Amino acid sequence: DVQMTQSPSNLAASPGESVSINCKASKSISKYLAWYQQKPGKANKLLIYSGSTLQSGTPSRFSGSGSGTDFTLTIRNLEPEDFGLYYCQQHNEYPPTFGSGTKLEIK
Amino acid sequence: EVQLVESGGGLVQPGRSLKLSCVASGFTFSNYGMNWIRQAPGKGLEWVAYISSGSSYIYYAETVKGRFTISRDNAKNTLYLQMTSLRSEDTALYYCARQLPGYKGVMDAWGQGASVTVSS
Repeated sequence: DVQMTQSPSNLAASPGESVSINCKASKSISKYLAWYQQKPGKANKLLIYSGSTLQSGTPSRFSGSGSGTDFTLTIRNLEPEDFGLYYCQQHNEYPPTFGSGTKLEIK
Repeated sequence: EVQLVESGGGLVQPGRSLKLSCVASGFTFSNYGMNWIRQAPGKGLEWVAYISSGSSYIYYAETVKGRFTISRDNAKNTLYLQMTSLRSEDTALYYCARQLPGYKGVMDAWGQGASVTVSS
């Protein structure tokens, strides 16, 4: 199985700032990486797939980049609703595998 | 509005069985592949199983293969997960999730989850 290593585990930032979350695959997954947001009491939300394609409804302050083994989720001009847990997940092959998550907190 | 509502969770003894259901609404269920994903308490997400729209293709995680069975009833807009020989490590919140058409392994809609606790 493809192992996904996500960093950092925790991140604190203020509204208006920009942050980046990194995800590294144990082998090349081409461009096939997705990012999800998880918040208490809400359904998990698909943000980005295929590395950089924004899912319908994802605000443009979110962007994804990378290919091969190294990927980044960048959130610019943080809004209060952006705080929560973020997971990367490879969708290049079965089984789909997730990173361990990044908790984005308000500073 | 797309909705996925899981049910059937609960407390079960090790070695026993449990069947989860997920009722879909707001979209044409029979056109979509579906997945089960789980999350152990305080842990990350783990993909469990996939079934194609017409049930022709089914995949399982190695951790559940031979013990869990995914199925669906398109007439009832319902996805199932039959879990047998349950172990303590199966304790988790179980989500059903819709697959984005054309993108294997991409889940574009999720339910709120059904809690399963395996304990004596």
